[in-house]
Amino acid sequence: DTAVSQTPKYLVTQMGNDKSIKCEQNLGHDTMYWYKQDSKKFLKIMFSYNNKELIINETVPNRFSPKSPDKAHLNLHINSLELGDSAVYFCASSQDLDWSGGLNTGELFFGEGSRLTVL
Amino acid sequence: GQNIDQPTEMTATEGAIVQINCTYQTSGFNGLFWYQQHAGEAPTFLSYNVLDGLEEKGRFSSFLSRSKGYSYLLLKELQMKDSASYLCAVMDSNYQLIWGAGTKLIIKP
Repeated sequence: DTAVSQTPKYLVTQMGNDKSIKCEQNLGHDTMYWYKQDSKKFLKIMFSYNNKELIINETVPNRFSPKSPDKAHLNLHINSLELGDSAVYFCASSQDLDWSGGLNTGELFFGEGSRLTVL
Repeated sequence: GQNIDQPTEMTATEGAIVQINCTYQTSGFNGLFWYQQHAGEAPTFLSYNVLDGLEEKGRFSSFLSRSKGYSYLLLKELQMKDSASYLCAVMDSNYQLIWGAGTKLIIKP
């Protein structure tokens, strides 16, 4: 049973196209994320989203839009793809931090990644 | 600004011990994480420190000094499968994770 699954794992497309990457988690977590990891291996947060709030990294172009039909899904839609969008996109989820004395550390559980190549 | 610094690459020998350092400057602190990422795979959680001191978990240990803005990940009895990137991440006062670029660890026989 895959905890965080994302599809497709590989995506090759032309500049200017629109594409989507889907993500689903079956961990019952409250928060989901999209990260971009470029060739230099930096993990950059793009969005975090729970039932209450969408937090957008302001450096993310508005061509990128998250869509969450329910708590278990957070899809990433990208319009007008550019060469610089080529990267690995990771979906992740976490449980909200429990400050009532629980052991939850808010650790992230990542999907396997979706490698996007824009030609 | 906020930043996390860790060495870009380290090399060690199978069976030996290696220490990967991480220094951080963030707006507030709500814990420090270490993740392991094998090439072409997703990061996986290794450890979490929020109080000063050493946390041991099998062959891996993680240390934190909040006053110095410093942590290290200690890997003992290195195995070839430990070859991976090790990512340091700090949760700031807004509970946002700030990531380092990762340290690529190369294990040689």
